Amino acid sequence: EDKVVQSPLSLVVHEGDTVTLNCSYEVTNFRSLLWYKQEKKAPTFLFMLTSSGIEKKSGRLSSILDKKELFSILNITATQTGDSAVYLCAVEGQGGSEKLVFGKGTKLTVNP
Amino acid sequence: KAGVTQTPRYLIKTRGQQVTLSCSPISGHRSVSWYQQTPGQGLQFLFEYFSETQRNKGNFPGRFSGRQFSNSRSEMNVSTLELGDSALYLCASSLGARGRESYNEQFFGPGTRLTVL
Repeated sequence: EDKVVQSPLSLVVHEGDTVTLNCSYEVTNFRSLLWYKQEKKAPTFLFMLTSSGIEKKSGRLSSILDKKELFSILNITATQTGDSAVYLCAVEGQGGSEKLVFGKGTKLTVNP
Repeated sequence: KAGVTQTPRYLIKTRGQQVTLSCSPISGHRSVSWYQQTPGQGLQFLFEYFSETQRNKGNFPGRFSGRQFSNSRSEMNVSTLELGDSALYLCASSLGARGRESYNEQFFGPGTRLTVL
């Protein structure tokens, strides 16, 4: 059965800290790995990763995928209170395993 | 451009009843996916519709069903409600279908909070 495990489940840091969120997965016929940020209700899309070793960046956020070791990390540098949210990792299979499987999320709290 | 809208936002039902939730995607988006989110299980994929056809389905019982109309609006129905169906139901729309780059930039609606008593 396809599985996504995120760690840590929660994290409390101070503004300005750098954090690394982890996502490991098992999926049949991997197609992509996605990161979302969820504040309050609706998740918002951050990154889609399909190839190993290619870093995706958006401002202070970056992510990379290791398809050999089956994991991804999401880095946030110089954290701000507005980064407080639940970060969700999801993997997508293909060829009959095309449902999107989400991890339970990492709850990040950034204190001033 | 208006975002994804879901109605109703909150709903209270009793066991055994059925419920229909509605989702209107962003204009021009043809793919609609539904998710259930609970504290214990997290976010779980229910199904995806593209051009009025169900393309993928998650591991949920047959009590959960859906459909998509020609204007891409989608409805989700849950029959014979159980206490465990209490959850936040999220709908997401995207330009393309799964397997295409444009699929994965999904835009989520605010969700419908369903409480089953």
